[in-house]
Amino acid sequence: KAGVTQTPRYLIKTRGQQVTLSCSPISGHRSVSWYQQTPGQGLQFLFEYFSETQRNKGNFPGRFSGRQFSNSRSEMNVSTLELGDSALYLCASSNPSEGAYEQYFGPGTRLTVT
Amino acid sequence: QKEVEQNSGPLSVPEGAIASLNCTYSDRGSQSFFWYRQYSGKSPELIMSIYSNGDKEDGRFTAQLNKASQYVSLLIRDSQPSDSATYLCAVNEGYSTLTFGKGTMLLVSP
Repeated sequence: KAGVTQTPRYLIKTRGQQVTLSCSPISGHRSVSWYQQTPGQGLQFLFEYFSETQRNKGNFPGRFSGRQFSNSRSEMNVSTLELGDSALYLCASSNPSEGAYEQYFGPGTRLTVT
Repeated sequence: QKEVEQNSGPLSVPEGAIASLNCTYSDRGSQSFFWYRQYSGKSPELIMSIYSNGDKEDGRFTAQLNKASQYVSLLIRDSQPSDSATYLCAVNEGYSTLTFGKGTMLLVSP
């Protein structure tokens, strides 16, 4: 079974721009969670989607948004980029409806804001 | 604010030794616990999950959970240099939301 895929793998953007990241979950997984990883703050939860509905959101400003499509693929968007948004953005998929809460991560998107 | 605490390390062990990694969590209602391994420049890889008090073994890895003490640990037997990585403890906080510790760096010397 193919793993979680994320595109693009690397991005360089300028302050003030916006960016869209994409995540395709493991086949059959209906939940997609997004995390931000930085050296200072570690891994922090952004939001989670299940069946196209956002069920939970972390403590991030409204510039961070996401959505999930009917095929479970998910996108996240960051508007008005700031230097502090430079990070590794990770998505993870799981299938909690089967009682399994294990999350499997994709390779991540490395975002650099200059 | 729910917290997960880990010693940042590095934890240095010789090849063949047992590495012991520890984690405490603040939310007494937490039910699901996970250990991830992250190599430098890579994404986290799930190595163990544990839901019930006691021990769970998988190959060279043993996860231990004590909900009364709010404590989770990971033992790695016969440590190998390839085990050198950062180990992340994660706690499920509802839905598919994980709260992570900052991670413990493990160094296994040949």
